[in-house]
Amino acid sequence: AQTVTQSQPEMSVQEAETVTLSCTYDTSENNYYLFWYKQPPSRQMILVIRQEAYKQQNATENRFSVNFQKAAKSFSLKISDSQLGDTAMYFCAFMKHEVAGNNRKLIWGLGTSLAVNP
Amino acid sequence: DTGVSQDPRHKITKRGQNVTFRCDPISEHNRLYWYRQTLGQGPEFLTYFQNEAQLEKSRLLSDRFSAERPKGSFSTLEIQRTEQGDSAMYLCASSRSGGYNSPLHFGNGTRLTVT
Repeated sequence: AQTVTQSQPEMSVQEAETVTLSCTYDTSENNYYLFWYKQPPSRQMILVIRQEAYKQQNATENRFSVNFQKAAKSFSLKISDSQLGDTAMYFCAFMKHEVAGNNRKLIWGLGTSLAVNP
Repeated sequence: DTGVSQDPRHKITKRGQNVTFRCDPISEHNRLYWYRQTLGQGPEFLTYFQNEAQLEKSRLLSDRFSAERPKGSFSTLEIQRTEQGDSAMYLCASSRSGGYNSPLHFGNGTRLTVT
């Protein structure tokens, strides 16, 4: 069974600084997808960034980037130039590759609560 | 794209009552998911539809829970004989087929409080 671990329950960062959130996972699959979702206090879950396991290049979306280390089963999220609006719960999630027979559910970590301080 | 819509936003009910939640997915999305999230936890998968077919159901979903998606559009999640342990946020998400290229889009959730 797949598991996702986020070892940092809470983190804080000063506005404009850089912060890295950690995520590790366990799987025997060779191809899969990894995601970071953000859940602000308004509670709607929003996709931040995603990565396919077979792609070695780390994904980047504006101020958000990942450090994907497949051998180490690590998928950390780096937020550069942190903004007050980045304050939220951040969830790391895993999904098996899209093939017939594989379920489509996301496996989630427990989340990291990030506070961006002015 | 009007997003995933869930109704109601909040529901308070007494133990033993039945409740029903509704989810309207993004119109062109053929997949619909229900998740449950308790305080301090990540979402837990409950069930998943592709069009009108319920393809997977978690063991978390006891016999008191039922979900439907008639005509492959909106979905309802019903909880019968609610218990205090059912208090949680119920999240609905939708996506197209395609895995990586079709990430889940979530609604705002329905917060259920069972007193």
